[in-house]
Amino acid sequence: QKEVEQDPGPLSVPEGAIVSLNCTYSNSAFQYFMWYRQYSRKGPELLMYTYSSGNKEDGRFTAQVDKSSKYISLFIRDSQPSDSATYLCAMSAGYGGATNKLIFGTGTLLAVQP
Amino acid sequence: DTAVSQTPKYLVTQMGNDKSIKCEQNLGHDTMYWYKQDSKKFLKIMFSYNNKELIINETVPNRFSPKSPDKAHLNLHINSLELGDSAVYFCASSQLGQGSGNTIYFGEGSWLTVV
Repeated sequence: QKEVEQDPGPLSVPEGAIVSLNCTYSNSAFQYFMWYRQYSRKGPELLMYTYSSGNKEDGRFTAQVDKSSKYISLFIRDSQPSDSATYLCAMSAGYGGATNKLIFGTGTLLAVQP
Repeated sequence: DTAVSQTPKYLVTQMGNDKSIKCEQNLGHDTMYWYKQDSKKFLKIMFSYNNKELIINETVPNRFSPKSPDKAHLNLHINSLELGDSAVYFCASSQLGQGSGNTIYFGEGSWLTVV
């Protein structure tokens, strides 16, 4: 079993829809949770970062962490065709330090249809 | 102005060959990484360097040898290439380390195909 599980999709939604992307994890030591967006033929870029449990909002994007369920989510409101990309969750146990490993999910491919 | 640049972007080579991928970051970061992304989009760390010193080596075959001549450069040399080495290799950098929330900046990737 992988440490981080993510539904690979693809997920296809109409423009304007609310999108929910999710990851589950098994390591209860994880405290730092990130979402990366990766466009086709590009490198991943950090979208959202949260520490421990709770919600964080940034524009149309909301990240949620439920440590008790070992479950994290990314919500995209009013989805746009430009949101079409692969979304990767990532998480780690510690703060900083080059020895601290970031564990990625396999990514969910999202397609927003105009 | 590209923050993390890696070359070549595409590389097709035969089994058994030796090849190198070069990476440079102009962000002044202390930590650099090599990640491998397989055909299923699974992204996994291979190596991390901090100020030219190897910090993480994730049970990668010793055919893979990273080299950091200075903290702005981290190159990856691969000997005796195998079919299973076909993947996208990403160079990345950050300031404090992976888990800090300090942004990890990725290069655009090097698509390696071994035939």
